[in-house]
Amino acid sequence: DAGVIQSPRHEVTEMGQEVTLRCKPISGHNSLFWYRQTMMRGLELLIYFNNNVPIDDSGMPEDRFSAKMPNASFSTLKIQPSEPRDSAVYFCASSFHSLTGLAGSGKNIQYFGAGTRLSVL
Amino acid sequence: GQSLEQPSEVTAVEGAIVQINCTYQTSGFYGLSWYQQHDGGAPTFLSYNALDGLEETGRFSSFLSRSDSYGYLLLQELQMKDSASYFCAVRNDYKLSFGAGTTVTVRA
Repeated sequence: DAGVIQSPRHEVTEMGQEVTLRCKPISGHNSLFWYRQTMMRGLELLIYFNNNVPIDDSGMPEDRFSAKMPNASFSTLKIQPSEPRDSAVYFCASSFHSLTGLAGSGKNIQYFGAGTRLSVL
Repeated sequence: GQSLEQPSEVTAVEGAIVQINCTYQTSGFYGLSWYQQHDGGAPTFLSYNALDGLEETGRFSSFLSRSDSYGYLLLQELQMKDSASYFCAVRNDYKLSFGAGTTVTVRA
C-alpha cells in the first residue's frame, strides 16, 4: 500500500482565500483523522471520522473549518476564508478501529500522511 | 481532558542510551503510545503499552506504570538517524492526545 496520501504538499495562499486539503487513507482502514501541528500548540486533533461519519469534531477551531468524507477513500479539509493564523502543517492519519469492539483492544496505530504545509499570507 | 508532560530536549552521543519520560493526567486511559517524527516528516508509530511493564522492539523499549500515570521510551545504542522528535500520546478509545514532544539530538 502507498500509505496515506495527502495533497498538496505545500500550499501558499492569501488571507481570505479558500483552501482545500485532500487525503486518501490506507485501503481497508475505517478511521480517518485530521490533525494540525504548530510550534505553539503541538499536534492537535481537528476531526475524526469512522466509516465516513464524523464522530468527533470538537477540535475544529471555528466555522471557517469544515471537513467531509464522501467515501472510504477520500476526505477533504476546507478552510474558508483562510487567515494567517491558520498557517500550520496539516496531517491526515488513518487506522482501523471498531466502535463496537472490545474496549482498548488493539494498538489503534495511526498512520500519518506526509502532511500539507499551509502558509497563509 | 488530557495533559501530558515530557522533556523538551535531550542531547546524547552516538552509542549512548536515552530515556524519555512521560507523565500524564487523563479522564480516560486505554494505553500509552510513542511516535517518532523526523524534521519535516510525518509522525510514525514506535510502540504501545496497554498494560504495566516493558515492551521491547529492537533498540527501542517502552515502559508503562498505570498506577503512577507514567511511562518512558528508552532508546539504546543511539544512532545519528535517531535524531528526531518523540511524542508520547495517551490513547482514550479512538483518540490520541499527544504530548509536546521531546527533541533528541544525537552527536557524533
